[in-house]
Amino acid sequence: KAGVTQTPRYLIKTRGQQVTLSCSPISGHRSVSWYQQTPGQGLQFLFEYFSETQRNKGNFPGRFSGRQFSNSRSEMNVSTLELGDSALYLCASSLVGEITEAFFGQGTRLTVV
Amino acid sequence: AQSVTQLGSHVSVSEGALVLLRCNYSSSVPPYLFWYVQYPNQGLQLLLKYTTGATLVKGINGFEAEFKKSETSFHLTKPSAHMSDAAEYFCAVSLNSGYSTLTFGKGTMLLVSP
Repeated sequence: KAGVTQTPRYLIKTRGQQVTLSCSPISGHRSVSWYQQTPGQGLQFLFEYFSETQRNKGNFPGRFSGRQFSNSRSEMNVSTLELGDSALYLCASSLVGEITEAFFGQGTRLTVV
Repeated sequence: AQSVTQLGSHVSVSEGALVLLRCNYSSSVPPYLFWYVQYPNQGLQLLLKYTTGATLVKGINGFEAEFKKSETSFHLTKPSAHMSDAAEYFCAVSLNSGYSTLTFGKGTMLLVSP
């Protein structure tokens, strides 16, 4: 079956702009989580959505937001981009109810110039 | 809150040598533990996981890890390294809470020389 799909794979944006990243989970997976990966901070949890509701949120400013649609697809948005937002953004999907395994997409590489 | 410490940002081994990547965790409740591998410009792929039961866990590509509660460790091993094992490895912990939130270590880059 198809894996987690993230689009686009690469993005270049200018400081001050906003960006929207998309994640389509594995069919049947209703939980979607987002992570930011940078060389300095490593992998950091952004937020998790289940059934269109944010269940958990990491320690990121309000410029980072997300949502989940009824088909479990998720988007994350970053407004007023800063140079420090340059990172690989990873989406993971998993089954509901217990932590069995999180399946990761290939990520979106965001570069802010 | 839980945390993960991976000792050594880089580990170098020769092809055919034992691979040992160290991971220690802290958690206020019994954790779920994971090892993921990441190849350049790729996402994360699960190698193995410990949830409950047997403390020695076997994963893909010949890797295994042992959960040692007394040492709060979950070290990753492979008896014989292959060139294709060169990648970055991440240890992660999650609470037994039903949430799918992972806390990752900083990662260990495995370098394999011929």
